[in-house]
Amino acid sequence: EAGVTQFPSHSVIEKGQTVTLRCDPISGHDNLYWYRRVMGKEIKFLLHFVKESKQDESGMPNNRFLAERTGGTYSTLKVQPAELEDSGVYFCASSQDVGHTIYFGEGSWLTVV
Amino acid sequence: AQSVAQPEDQVNVAEGNPLTVKCTYSVSGNPYLFWYVQYPNRGLQFLLKYITGDNLVKGSYGFEAEFNKSQTSFHLKKPSALVSDSALYFCAVRDRRGYQKVTFGIGTKLQVIP
Repeated sequence: EAGVTQFPSHSVIEKGQTVTLRCDPISGHDNLYWYRRVMGKEIKFLLHFVKESKQDESGMPNNRFLAERTGGTYSTLKVQPAELEDSGVYFCASSQDVGHTIYFGEGSWLTVV
Repeated sequence: AQSVAQPEDQVNVAEGNPLTVKCTYSVSGNPYLFWYVQYPNRGLQFLLKYITGDNLVKGSYGFEAEFNKSQTSFHLKKPSALVSDSALYFCAVRDRRGYQKVTFGIGTKLQVIP
C-alpha cells in the first residue's frame, strides 16, 4: 500500500513567486492534514480536511496560503506570493479516522530566496 | 489548550546503553499520545502511540514509552541504543474530547555515539 506522497520534494523560489504543493493521502483516508516546520522550531498544524471539507484551518498563517482538496482525494497548498518566512518543510499527513494514527509524507522542503 | 514539552534539545548516549527521551504534556481531558522519528532529510515516521490500557507501550525498532498520568509524562525509552537510532524525535498529544488537532513538541535530537 502506498504511503502519503508529496510533490515537489524540494522547491527553491524567489520572494513574490507562487508555489503549489501537492499531497496524495493514503487511499481510503478521509482525514488529511497539513503541517509546517520551520528550521529549529516545532511542527505546527496548518489545517485539517475531512474529505473535501475544511474541518479546522486555524493554523493557516495568513491569506497568502490557500489549501484545497477537490473531490476529497489529493490536496494542494498554494503560497502566493511567497515570503522569506515561508521557508520550511511542509508535511502532509493522513489518517483513517480522527484519533487514529496520522501517517506523514516525506515533506516538501520549500526555500524562498 | 493542549501542549507538549520536550525539555532536552539533544540527548547523547553511548551505543549499547539505555536511552530515554523525555516528554511531558498538557491537555484538558485524557490524551492520545504519540512518538514520531525523523531521520535526516526524511519525513516523520510513526513509532508508537498510547490510546488506552497498559501504560507501557511497545513500538517499532525496539522502542517503548511509558504513560504516567500523575506526572503527565510519556517518555520514550530503548534498552540498548544503536548508532542508527540517531535522529530527531517528536512527541505529540491529542485531547480525546471532541475534535482536537495533534500538537507536537519541538523535537529532541538523539545522538548515539559509537
